[in-house]
Amino acid sequence: TQLLEQSPQFLSIQEGENLTVYCNSSSVFSSLQWYRQEPGEGPVLLVTVVTGGEVKKLKRLTFQFGDARKDSSLHITAAQPGDTGLYLCAGAVDSNYQLIWGAGTKLIIKP
Amino acid sequence: KAGVTQTPRYLIKTRGQQVTLSCSPISGHRSVSWYQQTPGQGLQFLFEYFSETQRNKGNFPGRFSGRQFSNSRSEMNVSTLELGDSALYLCASSSSTGRSSPLHFGNGTRLTVT
Repeated sequence: TQLLEQSPQFLSIQEGENLTVYCNSSSVFSSLQWYRQEPGEGPVLLVTVVTGGEVKKLKRLTFQFGDARKDSSLHITAAQPGDTGLYLCAGAVDSNYQLIWGAGTKLIIKP
Repeated sequence: KAGVTQTPRYLIKTRGQQVTLSCSPISGHRSVSWYQQTPGQGLQFLFEYFSETQRNKGNFPGRFSGRQFSNSRSEMNVSTLELGDSALYLCASSSSTGRSSPLHFGNGTRLTVT
């Protein structure tokens, strides 16, 4: 069974703090996507990483793909209430047609 | 460009009934996927349709079925509803079937089975 573990499952911090969310697996991914889902809405794609060691930045969000392409992290600098949501990672494995989804990290940023 | 539209937004059914959910993809997108989302379980893949053909199916019982029409609109049907079917059902469209292709999700249908 291919699993994608996300940690932490829940994080509540104050506005202005930094945080990191992790996505780990024993499987090697050909690509990995990060989505953010706000209450009452569907997930929205934030970024896709495809190369081991790749780093992508989206304003205050920094995404990194592990060198071995088995893990990824999302770092948020100076978190803001608008960052609140459920962050999901999804990986593509060559042996599986479907995306493998993590269970998500629920992030709450308090003003 | 209009996004993915799912109807209805909310649905309450009783055990044993059946339900049909509808999804209109982004114009020009021919791939439609369906997911079940429950708290703490992440997204569970139900099936994917491309050009009216089911391309892939997840590990769900036969009570879950779907179809896609020539205009790429898709419907999902669940028969003989069980309490455990209560979930948010999400539809996503994509311009191609590649796993790296971005998925564009609708806002989901919240199904409650009592």
